[in-house]
Amino acid sequence: QVQLQESGPGLMKPSEILSLTCGVSGDSISGSHWWSWVRQSPEKGLEWIGEVYHSGKTNYNPSLKSRVTISVDKSNNEVSLRLTSVTAADTAMYYCVRDSLNTGHDYWGRGTLVTVSS
Amino acid sequence: DIVMTQTPLSSPVALGQPASISCRSSQSLVHNDGNTNLTWLHQRPGQAPRLLIYKISHRSSGVPDRFTGSGAGTDFTLKISRVEAEDVGVYYCMQTSQFPYTFGQGTKLEIK
Repeated sequence: QVQLQESGPGLMKPSEILSLTCGVSGDSISGSHWWSWVRQSPEKGLEWIGEVYHSGKTNYNPSLKSRVTISVDKSNNEVSLRLTSVTAADTAMYYCVRDSLNTGHDYWGRGTLVTVSS
Repeated sequence: DIVMTQTPLSSPVALGQPASISCRSSQSLVHNDGNTNLTWLHQRPGQAPRLLIYKISHRSSGVPDRFTGSGAGTDFTLKISRVEAEDVGVYYCMQTSQFPYTFGQGTKLEIK
């Protein structure tokens, strides 16, 4: 059974750098899937942040591209998200999602809540 | 960006009755490879979204056959033949044919 577990700081201050990790079990990061980050807030709803393949190839949402980096750690079977210069607008639940070529966004983590407040 | 518009935003339905949700995209979702990458997600209160249907009409593993997806081009529909209590929550359509991937605003299904 594939499981994704996000972890992060919870509470942050404006201008800090957000770093999230997604631990993957039941599947290899190096398989034929993309690994996405999606966030959800009451203000913006669901928002796709970007995705990474095990080769390191990435695709990002242009609205966040200047601030976001998504990467893989094959040795630990993890996916990471880095978002710089956070503001209150980045307050959201952040989800790690497996994007299968054949069956789409088929596995979602439980999410980790990130709150940005001074 | 492709805008995904869902109707209705709220749908009160009696148990055992059918429900229908519409999703319209601002551009055709037919990908260069011929696939139409329209996905339906279901989010129960306090839970993460889960995959219901991919590529318009393919049910994900474990999804009951009372859920049916249909449509083409820019117009898509999710139908529930007989609503059960576990079906409450918010339903989202999502397109993955063009970057950035985008979502509908969600349709809240509640029991009347």
